[in-house]
Amino acid sequence: EPEVTQTPSHQVTQMGQEVILRCVPISNHLYFYWYRQILGQKVEFLVSFYNNEISEKSEIFDDQFSVERPDGSNFTLKIRSTKLEDSAMYFCASSYARGTNYGYTFGSGTRLTVV
Amino acid sequence: DQQVKQNSPSLSVQEGRISILNCDYTNSMFDYFLWYKKYPAEGPTFLISISSIKDKNEDGRFTVFLNKSAKHLSLHIVPSQPGDSAVYFCAASAGAQKLVFGQGTRLTINP
Repeated sequence: EPEVTQTPSHQVTQMGQEVILRCVPISNHLYFYWYRQILGQKVEFLVSFYNNEISEKSEIFDDQFSVERPDGSNFTLKIRSTKLEDSAMYFCASSYARGTNYGYTFGSGTRLTVV
Repeated sequence: DQQVKQNSPSLSVQEGRISILNCDYTNSMFDYFLWYKKYPAEGPTFLISISSIKDKNEDGRFTVFLNKSAKHLSLHIVPSQPGDSAVYFCAASAGAQKLVFGQGTRLTINP
């Protein structure tokens, strides 16, 4: 069964450093998403991406965050200057059609720890 | 932001019995509802969904019920199996692409 692949599975970084979280969505999918889950809290929407541009973003997704699809397969989330409160599990997801009724596919997540 | 709420943080059920997980929402604009299952160290896995034009959707052992007037949905698992032990998230969307998740309910199936 096709999978969404995320690397690394765990990233430790110092506060103020830049991090890039990487995702390889399912190959025929067109819509891409990032979510995060702070320990003990809800899974929260960050951003959706279609046709090489952001289609929706949450208030969490401020100027410190950016997304990119640099080639035909990767989808990345960059945090420019990490803060302690950015520590969370970050999940990438993809779907082949617009809308959430397709129950889009999530990756296994990257645990980001900011120290 | 409490648009989607799962008031039971945990639920314990005997193997073979019915598991009922509940979810309430406040946003009347939500038109699609989904249940996800999550194991530790894995991403959420889609289980079943329901459109707001329906009140029931069934897929094997899983049935989701939607009561729009009460803004309530539930997931029934019958019969419950040990492999069903996981955290279950209710999620909703309002015509857009993003999902709004509940806090999750940890389901434990006892042998």
